Amino acid sequence: QVQLHESGPGLVKPSETLSLSCSVSGYSISNGYCWGWIRQPPGKGLEWIGSIEQSGSVYYNPSLKSRVTISVDTSRNQFSLKLSSVTAADTAVYYCARNPHSRNGVQTTLHYFDYWGQGTLLTVSS
Amino acid sequence: QSALTQPASVSGSPGQSITISCSGTSSDVGSYNLVSWYQQHPDKAPKLIIYEDNKRPSGVSNRFSGSKSGNTASLTISGLQAEDEADYSCCSYAGGTTLVFGGGTKLTVL
Repeated sequence: QVQLHESGPGLVKPSETLSLSCSVSGYSISNGYCWGWIRQPPGKGLEWIGSIEQSGSVYYNPSLKSRVTISVDTSRNQFSLKLSSVTAADTAVYYCARNPHSRNGVQTTLHYFDYWGQGTLLTVSS
Repeated sequence: QSALTQPASVSGSPGQSITISCSGTSSDVGSYNLVSWYQQHPDKAPKLIIYEDNKRPSGVSNRFSGSKSGNTASLTISGLQAEDEADYSCCSYAGGTTLVFGGGTKLTVL
């Protein structure tokens, strides 16, 4: 059974960089799939942040692209999210999830999220 | 890239059927057979219930079905049960290797 688990600091100060990690068990990241980050501000809808392939190719939400870095560490079977210059608007529950995809030549198409972590609340406050 | 449009809330009585709409554009919902739906109970992670417009993952009740017409996708829940009360969100591939979610719909079982 594929399981994902997010970990992070819980509280970050405005203007700082938040860092989250997602540990995967029950499946080797090296075997394929994209792996994604999604967030949900309190009382609001889900927002896709970005996804990464095991090869390291990354795909970002255009609205967050200038502040987001997603990386993968296949040796530790985990992937990570960094979001810079955070503000109160970045306060949210952050989820990691497996993101099946397909490839047609050089074009990657992202499909859906089938396995999710339990989520971690990240609060931005001084 | 704008969020897909869903009604804020829908309601139904046990045993009835309800439909939740997810409106997009010809750049996302209307261009790809890649709409997915998620069920989310309070303080829980989302759960995939429909993928690629109308496919159900193993273990998901056949009371859940997905469809699409033009730029609008729909989730139908038949034989409504109390346990179906939750938030439902749609998601679509939007081209350029990007994804977009809807704002979510709260389902109340009366």
